[in-house]
Amino acid sequence: NAGVMQNPRHLVRRRGQEARLRCSPMKGHSHVYWYRQLPEEGLKFMVYLQKENIIDESGMPKERFSAEFPKEGPSILRIQQVVRGDSAAYFCASSFTSGGALNEQFFGPGTRLTVL
Amino acid sequence: GENVEQHPSTLSVQEGDSAVIKCTYSDSASNYFPWYKQELGKRPQLIIDIRSNVGEKKDQRIAVTLNKTAKHFSLHITETQPEDSAVYFCAASRGSGDKLTFGTGTRLAVRP
Repeated sequence: NAGVMQNPRHLVRRRGQEARLRCSPMKGHSHVYWYRQLPEEGLKFMVYLQKENIIDESGMPKERFSAEFPKEGPSILRIQQVVRGDSAAYFCASSFTSGGALNEQFFGPGTRLTVL
Repeated sequence: GENVEQHPSTLSVQEGDSAVIKCTYSDSASNYFPWYKQELGKRPQLIIDIRSNVGEKKDQRIAVTLNKTAKHFSLHITETQPEDSAVYFCAASRGSGDKLTFGTGTRLAVRP
């Protein structure tokens, strides 16, 4: 059973370009979470999605950032007009929830975004 | 919203000794408390978790305790080994489908 997949693993962008990060959850998982980790810091929640729905985007900046989880294909976190402060590791996690019983979130390997 | 505090930020122990990391949380509705281990450049890996209906849980050398009244929970690692060296994060969540709120991490170094 493959784990959470993320690509690319490393992404370099110049200021003003767009960054597109992809996440495929574990098989059978329908919940996806995106977290950002700045160097030497903890993980900060950005957005929680289920298929075709954004459930909680309270941690995502209102401008330049967007996320989707379409019916088919991976979840995508999109950052427009990147700035140096966007440089970070972006982790995706997935979980399987049935009747509120299971909460474990399993993390992907992350995408390390560097903005030049 | 939830706020999770974690102490200490760094911890150095001799191989074979025990290590204890403590976290407090603010949201009384939180009922799920996982611990993650993150090695340099790697993904966070779930090592143990506890739910609010349990006071203690143990898995080999790792144990977690939860005090809901005081809103704090702790990670205990016994007989530490050099491969335990990593950054450990506690987290809290309200449960099914809710986001994780992480502590700031504890960098554990185990001296051979």
